[in-house]
Order: sequence, then C-alpha cells, then structure tokens
Amino acid sequence: ELKVEQNPLFLSMQEGKNYTIYCNYSTTSDRLYWYRQDPGKSLESLFVLLSNGAVKQEGRLMASLDTKARLSTLHITAAVHDLSATYFCAASGNTPLVFGKGTRLSVIA
Amino acid sequence: DAGVIQSPRHEVTEMGQEVTLRCKPISGHNSLFWYRQTMMRGLELLIYFNNNVPIDDSGMPEDRFSAKMPNASFSTLKIQPSEPRDSAVYFCASSTDRVHGYTFGSGTRLTVV
Repeated sequence: ELKVEQNPLFLSMQEGKNYTIYCNYSTTSDRLYWYRQDPGKSLESLFVLLSNGAVKQEGRLMASLDTKARLSTLHITAAVHDLSATYFCAASGNTPLVFGKGTRLSVIA
Repeated sequence: DAGVIQSPRHEVTEMGQEVTLRCKPISGHNSLFWYRQTMMRGLELLIYFNNNVPIDDSGMPEDRFSAKMPNASFSTLKIQPSEPRDSAVYFCASSTDRVHGYTFGSGTRLTVV
C-alpha cells in the first residue's frame, strides 16, 4: 500500500528566508505532484514530476524528485506572505493519487 | 471551461437525514474521484470511476455511503443516514486518467449536527 509522508506538518517562516518541505513515499510511484490549498479553498496543482532528477520551478517555488530515495522536495526561496498556504504532495503507483497530510506554511514579517 | 463543479458549497443537516452531494466533471475527462478531507485524516480517496464505471470503492467508510455516475457529466455521493462524524469537506476531482493531474472542484463543506 502506497503511503506518503510530509514533513514538517507546520512551518512558520520569516519573510525572505529559505526552507524546504520534504515528501517521502513508500513504494514505487511513477509521478509526484505538488498542490497548494488556501484556507477554505480547493486544491490547485503546482507541479508534476515525471522522472528521476526532474526539477520544476515557478517563481519562488522549486520542486525536485529523487525516485531512488523515494523523495521529493519543495524548496521555498525568499519567502513572501503570499506563499502562506497548505502544500500537499501526492504520489501514484497503480492507484489514484495518495496525498500526504500537508504542510501548513505561515510566512510572517 | 468552468472546471469541476460541485454543489452545494455548504450543507448543514441533522443527524439521520439523507445528504446528496453533486459533481459535474470537466468535459472530456474520463476519470472522476471523490475525496474527503478532515483535519485528523487529511485527504482520503472514497471512490473513483473510470468511464462512468466504479473501479475502486474500498475507501467508502460504510454502507451508509454510496456513489453513482449515471453519465459522463454527472456524479453523486449520497450519505444515508448521515452522522456527525461524516462532517468534512468532500471534494470531487476529474482527470483524463488516474495518474494524470487532477482538477479539483471547490468542495462541499458538510456539517452534520
């Protein structure tokens, strides 16, 4: 059974700082997704990573995938308040997407 | 495209009542998923359909839950009878298949009192 773990679950960052969110998954997954959810809102797709070594970047967010380590990271560069949200990773084996518990990010001045 | 459309956005009902949640997937998407989100358990897959056929309903918590997809443009999730522990946000998502990116609806926030 595919399991997905994220850490940390809660993250409070100062504006301008860098940090990384980690996503581990337990069995082979052919792709890895990152989603963002604002409070009371739906999930918005950020990145899909399709192969070992894949790296995607959008603004201050960069996601990477290491399929051998079964690890994906979401790196935040020079955080700004607008990045405050909950970030989910999701993996897929021979199943629909299995989501991590999410990382609640708060960026403070 | 209007995206995945769910209704109602909010539902408050009394314990024991029947609740029906509705979803219209994106046209051309042949996979549809129902997820439930709670603080304690996160996002859990309840059931998914491929080409209107239920493929895996192992996530449906009890026989009180049922889901249908009578055609490619409509699905329902029904809870009968509802219980307070069913209170959650229920999301519908659709995709071209089970592993490509999912588009989520706005969700239905269900409160059972």
